[in-house]
Amino acid sequence: DTAVSQTPKYLVTQMGNDKSIKCEQNLGHDTMYWYKQDSKKFLKIMFSYNNKELIINETVPNRFSPKSPDKAHLNLHINSLELGDSAVYFCASSQEKSGGAANTQYFGPGTRLTVL
Amino acid sequence: DAKTTQPTSMDCAEGRAANLPCNHSTISGNEYVYWYRQIHSQGPQYIIHGLKNNETNEMASLIITEDRKSSTLILPHATLRDTAVYYCIVRSHGSSNTGKLIFGQGTTLQVKP
Repeated sequence: DTAVSQTPKYLVTQMGNDKSIKCEQNLGHDTMYWYKQDSKKFLKIMFSYNNKELIINETVPNRFSPKSPDKAHLNLHINSLELGDSAVYFCASSQEKSGGAANTQYFGPGTRLTVL
Repeated sequence: DAKTTQPTSMDCAEGRAANLPCNHSTISGNEYVYWYRQIHSQGPQYIIHGLKNNETNEMASLIITEDRKSSTLILPHATLRDTAVYYCIVRSHGSSNTGKLIFGQGTTLQVKP
């Protein structure tokens, strides 16, 4: 069973289009994340949701809108796609623990987005 | 969160131990050291984490110096499948910083036959 899954795996689209990437986790975790890995391989957090509430938003353009219909899903919708949006997008999940205890993030396989 | 410094790349012979160093000289008392790795074209994978004691699990061992300013990830018997980029990350725990992992450039480990 796949713990964190993403669809699609590859996405090729034209500039200006609107597209969505879906993420689902079956680990029962309460926190989900979106990361972006650019062509230089730098991996950077974009958003984090805990119990369907946004808790981290790393100054990502408004064209990116995450949506969490329930704790097991965190989708990423991107409006008016630009060339610079081309990257690999990773979803991750973790279970937040009280008292500042450590949590482990589990990552999905990634979605490679290419904007032409 | 404190910044980490890792060598850009390392080689290791298959079957030998791989020792990956990480400097985190500005680490504070409540910050943990985490290690993740990313095998080509896959998502990052958690390996191990620790606060001040040495830790071991089925994947690796983590040795943290007494002053906590550096650590070493040890893969005891490296295989070709361990070829990956290894990230050392320092982060604190608590609601203000929940879940945020800051990835650096990492160390590209090449395990050779």
